[in-house]
Formats: sequence, structure tokens, C-alpha cells
Amino acid sequence: DAGITQSPRYKITETGRQVTLMCHQTWSHSYMFWYRQDLGHGLRLIYYSAAADITDKGEVPDGYVVSRSKTENFPLTLESATRSQTSVYFCAGRTSGIGEQFFGPGTRLTVL
Amino acid sequence: ELKVEQNPLFLSMQEGKNYTIYCNYSTTSDRLYWYRQDPGKSLESLFVLLSNGAVKQEGRLMASLDTKARLSTLHITAAVHDLSATYFCAVNFGNEKLTFGTGTRLTIIP
Repeated sequence: DAGITQSPRYKITETGRQVTLMCHQTWSHSYMFWYRQDLGHGLRLIYYSAAADITDKGEVPDGYVVSRSKTENFPLTLESATRSQTSVYFCAGRTSGIGEQFFGPGTRLTVL
Repeated sequence: ELKVEQNPLFLSMQEGKNYTIYCNYSTTSDRLYWYRQDPGKSLESLFVLLSNGAVKQEGRLMASLDTKARLSTLHITAAVHDLSATYFCAVNFGNEKLTFGTGTRLTIIP
């Protein structure tokens, strides 16, 4: 159990609304990641964080904002949700050394 | 460009048969990871391969890494229904991130 939890597990929102997806870890992962998973695209990295207050863009960062004021939390905010952001979002943490990533249960987001 | 390609994308096989999933990647790496995902679930780590020639086995699954060929294989021996899932390979290209393949959806038919 890598101790990654996500909330909410399911979310329906409307176009233009702000939405925040939460990610919390109970292990001391230094690195944390946000991915989105869409059919035909596999997993695509949105943002990642090497430590508290250090974040960087991934492959598809547009329309998303992250913060990491505490090591254990890594929220992802959609500032103005669009239908194209309908997806399943996974948070992951990385162990040091071998680089293996452990994933949270995911949040299924629908933007109407 | 950092790319990871898996094939086949879809695989339907009979119980008891053997098959191999291939994972090719575009540039040098000696860190490759295999994950399993059941429908509607999260990704579960299966194997971590950290050097050329690395081989890991767990039950009916065996993964190997050839860094010179930029190729990893996931071999399934005597498939059983419980192995039906989507399998992803992911590569660390030395930048602390993982690049994922698009996945292989495996269906085992009785």
C-alpha cells in the first residue's frame, strides 16, 4: 500500500466552473505526479512535483494549475473546466532509487 | 522525441496459450516498468527492470529488457482468465518522469 488517496472519486461539473482534485499521500514520496487517462492516449503527464513548492509542467499542462505547499498534498485545479477535460485523473507518487511510481485510485471527471 | 510503443494494442488469446507483448522505445534508457490495469481500476506495478538483460518473473508473467535493442517483452505463459487486463509499459528517459505506452488490452478466452 503506497498510501495515495484521491478525492473525489467521481465528479460531474459544468463548463466554465473551477474544479479541484485532491491527492494525498501517507508515505514520504518526494515526487508526485498528475496524469490523465483517455482512450487511445494511454496516460499523459499533466504536472509533477519534485518536492514542496517545486512543480513543473508535463506533456499536457494547459488549463490546469497545481500547488504543493505540503509534501503530502498535491491538488490539481481546473481553472475553467472544458468538455475536453473530461477524463480519468490519476495521482502518483514515486519512491526514491528505482523510480517506481505508485498510483492512487483515480478520479473520474465529467464536464458537461 | 521520447516515444514508447506497444504492440499489439489488442490481444485476444485462448486459455493455456503463450504470447508476448512488445514494448519499443525511442532512445536510450535502462529503466523500464510494467503495469497492469483492470477495467475501472488504477494501475498496479508489476515489474521494474533496471539494467540490460534484466529478467523478472511473477507467476505466469515474465518481463525482460534489452536496452541495446530498446525493447522490453512481457511474456505470458499458459494464459488464464485472471490475466485479462490492460498492460502498460513505461520508460524513464532520465528526467524523473515516466513516458507510457498506449497499453495492450489482453482478453483471455476460455
